[in-house]
Amino acid sequence: DGGITQSPKYLFRKEGQNVTLSCEQNLNHDAMYWYRQDPGQGLRLIYYSQIVNDFQKGDIAEGYSVSREKKESFPLTVTSAQKNPTAFYLCASSLADRNTEAFFGQGTRLTVV
Amino acid sequence: QKEVEQNSGPLSVPEGAIASLNCTYSDRVSQSFFWYRQYSGKSPELIMSIYSNGDKEDGRFTAQLNKASQYVSLLIRDSQPSDSATYLCAVILPRLGGGNKLTFGTGTQLKVEL
Repeated sequence: DGGITQSPKYLFRKEGQNVTLSCEQNLNHDAMYWYRQDPGQGLRLIYYSQIVNDFQKGDIAEGYSVSREKKESFPLTVTSAQKNPTAFYLCASSLADRNTEAFFGQGTRLTVV
Repeated sequence: QKEVEQNSGPLSVPEGAIASLNCTYSDRVSQSFFWYRQYSGKSPELIMSIYSNGDKEDGRFTAQLNKASQYVSLLIRDSQPSDSATYLCAVILPRLGGGNKLTFGTGTQLKVEL
């Protein structure tokens, strides 16, 4: 069935480690987004991509990196440069046309231990 | 000024009443507006989209858009306890050099009381 799959659902990271969060979609969507959500707060945009091999920084890109080698996949790496990575990470996708809705995966909860 | 602003609430309404949620945005070129509902610990789910001035109704939900005032709202009629959630306003901001940036407000927490 079609949808957006994020994995893992829960992730624990030690201080100083890089971790990669997976986001895969089979909706044939062109645009993909990564957001971070902290408790009691809204969604803040980390990176977004409209087409393969191209992506733009969002509002809080420092300490994160992405790639878009395939249309279906938009992995997010949380690097050791991100000083406060504990958060709920959400991936979304949509058609590239601005008048289309975005749909979300189930999220990955990252905790630094 | 934030790109998308919402009152964080909580907004409390009695069961059966109309809940009114408001959102303002800063960029006049914005053309696409969405309302998402998010239950605690879950990912957001789309409930309404609106692209032109006026009202758009879908069941108990009505979205209202006023581009001149840069204002979008969501009305929930006959509010139910299951409507208790955080409601996120989202706006697509076209960017020079490519890309449509989907930006969210901080959300309004709605509580429907028995």
